[in-house]
Amino acid sequence: DGGITQSPKYLFRKEGQNVTLSCEQNLNHDAMYWYRQDPGQGLRLIYYSQIVNDFQKGDIAEGYSVSREKKESFPLTVTSAQKNPTAFYLCASSASQGDNEQFFGPGTRLTVL
Amino acid sequence: GEDVEQSLFLSVREGDSSVINCTYTDSSSTYLYWYKQEPGAGLQLLTYIFSNMDMKQDQRLTVLLNKKDKHLSLRIADTQTGDSAIYFCAEIHSGGYQKVTFGIGTKLQVIP
Repeated sequence: DGGITQSPKYLFRKEGQNVTLSCEQNLNHDAMYWYRQDPGQGLRLIYYSQIVNDFQKGDIAEGYSVSREKKESFPLTVTSAQKNPTAFYLCASSASQGDNEQFFGPGTRLTVL
Repeated sequence: GEDVEQSLFLSVREGDSSVINCTYTDSSSTYLYWYKQEPGAGLQLLTYIFSNMDMKQDQRLTVLLNKKDKHLSLRIADTQTGDSAIYFCAEIHSGGYQKVTFGIGTKLQVIP
């Protein structure tokens, strides 16, 4: 079955630690995205990548980093510089040409203790 | 800049129709989407409408688009308890990369 997977579903981190969230897709999509969801604020774009080895900052990139070494994978690192990292993180992907639908993963809930 | 607005909450009785409303500001939007999010899960695309259409019907779902007022609505007929979720309106802007602006989400509560 084609789709997007995110792991882990729940993640706990101590303050001051970096943590990496996984996102994998087998849809052969060129573009991938990371969003953050907070209660009452909808989805906000953190980073996006239109093609392998290329990525761009979204609206709230500070304190986050990404890599896109493979088409299938777009991991997100939440660094200790992110002041308020507790949130629900959603990964999405889309085909780059003629298909605007974004397919979403199930999300990772990150809690900083 | 682009902005998408939705009300936060809607409560309906099972069997009634639900209407979720959305307004947007960017007249260059090419597609408008409705996504559904169940608790603790990702977003699932429900339906979409091209910006040159006025209406789209898909089983129990009807999308109406008023381009003049930049108003989009999602009507769910015969609402069921399984329809309880958060519904996001989103607009897609063409050019450059596929920028998506999401609304804040409307939480639909269906009362049995």
